[in-house]
Amino acid sequence: GAGVSQSPSNKVTEKGKDVELRCDPISGHTALYWYRQSLGQGLEFLIYFQGNSAPDKSGLPSDRFSAERTGGSVSTLTIQRTQQEDSAVYLCASSSRGSSYEQYFGPGTRLTVT
Amino acid sequence: AQSVAQPEDQVNVAEGNPLTVKCTYSVSGNPYLFWYVQYPNRGLQFLLKYITGDNLVKGSYGFEAEFNKSQTSFHLKKPSALVSDSALYFCAVRDPRMDSSYKLIFGSGTRLLVRP
Repeated sequence: GAGVSQSPSNKVTEKGKDVELRCDPISGHTALYWYRQSLGQGLEFLIYFQGNSAPDKSGLPSDRFSAERTGGSVSTLTIQRTQQEDSAVYLCASSSRGSSYEQYFGPGTRLTVT
Repeated sequence: AQSVAQPEDQVNVAEGNPLTVKCTYSVSGNPYLFWYVQYPNRGLQFLLKYITGDNLVKGSYGFEAEFNKSQTSFHLKKPSALVSDSALYFCAVRDPRMDSSYKLIFGSGTRLLVRP
């Protein structure tokens, strides 16, 4: 079946601009995660959505970052007033409900802030 | 706090030889452990997981990993390496006791290079 999809695959933006990154999870997966992969920083958790529960936003690095998940499916990660340190690969993952289930990752969006 | 350590930035092995990629963790209680692989310009692919039961778990592409509670380790192994195994490997842990989310805590990654 179809995996997790993300768009765009690459995004180059100027410092100070806003960007939106999209994630389409695997159909039927109720949990959705955003992670960031930076050079020298490894993979870091950003935000988690589970069904209709309040999202876990504990990993968002600043208030310039926000995310929504509409209708329990598609998610959008928004970065306002981008900075050069926001340059990274943003990965989305989805899974079935429950802690024992593995997460399936999308191909990522490579964001470059110039 | 939970953490994962991958002590080797890179592992080099000849094709046909056994390989080991090391991972140690620090989690209170019983951890859930995962291995993922990342090929160039691709997302992470799930390889295997340990939740409970047998300490030796088998996964995709002939990989296996051994959970050792006393050493808090979860090393990834393969009896005979292939050139196509060359990639970036991530170990991850999830504390099942956390109520707020089931986020993964990742190690820094180990680059595996299999030479012909």
